Amino acid sequence: KNQVEQSPQSLIILEGKNCTLQCNYTVSPFSNLRWYKQDTGRGPVSLTIMTFSENTKSNGRYTATLDADTKQSSLHITASQLSDSASYICVVSDPYSDKLIFGTGTRLQVFP
Amino acid sequence: NAGVTQTPKFQVLKTGQSMTLQCAQDMNHEYMSWYRQDPGMGLRLIHYSVGAGITDQGEVPNGYNVSRSTTEDFPLRLLSAAPSQTSVYFCASSYRWDRVYFTEAFFGQGTRLTVV
Repeated sequence: KNQVEQSPQSLIILEGKNCTLQCNYTVSPFSNLRWYKQDTGRGPVSLTIMTFSENTKSNGRYTATLDADTKQSSLHITASQLSDSASYICVVSDPYSDKLIFGTGTRLQVFP
Repeated sequence: NAGVTQTPKFQVLKTGQSMTLQCAQDMNHEYMSWYRQDPGMGLRLIHYSVGAGITDQGEVPNGYNVSRSTTEDFPLRLLSAAPSQTSVYFCASSYRWDRVYFTEAFFGQGTRLTVV
């Protein structure tokens, strides 16, 4: 069964520090991998979308990496801010069904 | 341009009651879908539609009905609410999926449903 697993489940960091969130997937082949940010009580909002041929993609302080050989992706947040407190969800697109397969997310809390 | 609008934001139902969750988008997207989000689980697909008049089942369709009479609206109906349907429901829309290219999915704000 196609799965997307994320680690850690939750993370607490101090404002200004960097952090890295991990995503492992078994979907193969896949057409694209996405990272979403979900604030409490809100819907997910896209941060990046990467195809299987892309290794790195940045969106401001967010940088996503992808290793299609090992089926791993990471999301690196630089110089964290209080507003980065949210859940970060890794999503892989199944090319055969065109459906999105969601990870369970990493809950990030940034404290001053 | 409001994006994806869901109503209501909160709802409490008694077991056995029925209700409709509304979803509307103003981006002329062909593809719309409904997900439920439960603690410790990723979003799971309930039903989806690739265009007006076309709907199909997702991963967890039991207990839910959908219809797509217009491009803009995609309501989700709970036929006879059960406590197991207590969840947060999200509607999403995008341009038509394509296996070669990819399109951004936009999510609504969610509906928090409690069935007692």
